[in-house]
Amino acid sequence: GAVVSQHPSRVICKSGTSVKIECRSLDFQATTMFWYRQFPKQSLMLMATSNEGSKATYEQGVEKDKFLINHASLTLSTLTVTSAHPEDSSFYICSASSGNTGELFFGEGSRLTVL
Amino acid sequence: GDSVTQMEGPVTLSEEAFLTINCTYTATGYPSLFWYVQYPGEGLQLLLKATKADDKGSNKGFEATYRKETTSFHLEKGSVQVSDSAVYFCALGGAQGGSEKLVFGKGTKLTVNP
Repeated sequence: GAVVSQHPSRVICKSGTSVKIECRSLDFQATTMFWYRQFPKQSLMLMATSNEGSKATYEQGVEKDKFLINHASLTLSTLTVTSAHPEDSSFYICSASSGNTGELFFGEGSRLTVL
Repeated sequence: GDSVTQMEGPVTLSEEAFLTINCTYTATGYPSLFWYVQYPGEGLQLLLKATKADDKGSNKGFEATYRKETTSFHLEKGSVQVSDSAVYFCALGGAQGGSEKLVFGKGTKLTVNP
């Protein structure tokens, strides 16, 4: 089946630095990608929807200047956590929509720890 | 707004036991309903879905029926295996059952012991 890959799977950074997480659709072109955040024992919270070649649409309460999303090609979307703080530590998950079926395929997730 | 309430875990069963994970939802309109499964170290995978009332989704021995009258979509399996150990997420989506934004439950961790 279709595969979506995230990188890195784990990242530890110092407070104040920026971290980039990549989400790639490996065998299909993804016109739409979604970024989620998951807190321990909580559900996945949708952060933003990114469409190739246009600006991302952020959910209410998500700081667009804090979480920069770029969807420059049909196979790659990136999430950059700028000036990270310990409260940004979380599990970030992306999903990509196959234009053919509309089905969502999820990445393995990236665990960010900010010291 | 739309929401999904899922049975809290963790759930621990012996092999060949019967499984039920409860899921209820609140939504306007006529949403599609999904169950996703996340095996250790992997991304979420669609397990089954139902797009309208009384539909039954099924896959790998798992079943769930879209009950509009009780706003429920409970996941069941008659005989679980060790390989079913994973985290299960109930989710609600748009009427088309496709790539609309999903609202997830908190997930239920299932452990099946031999």
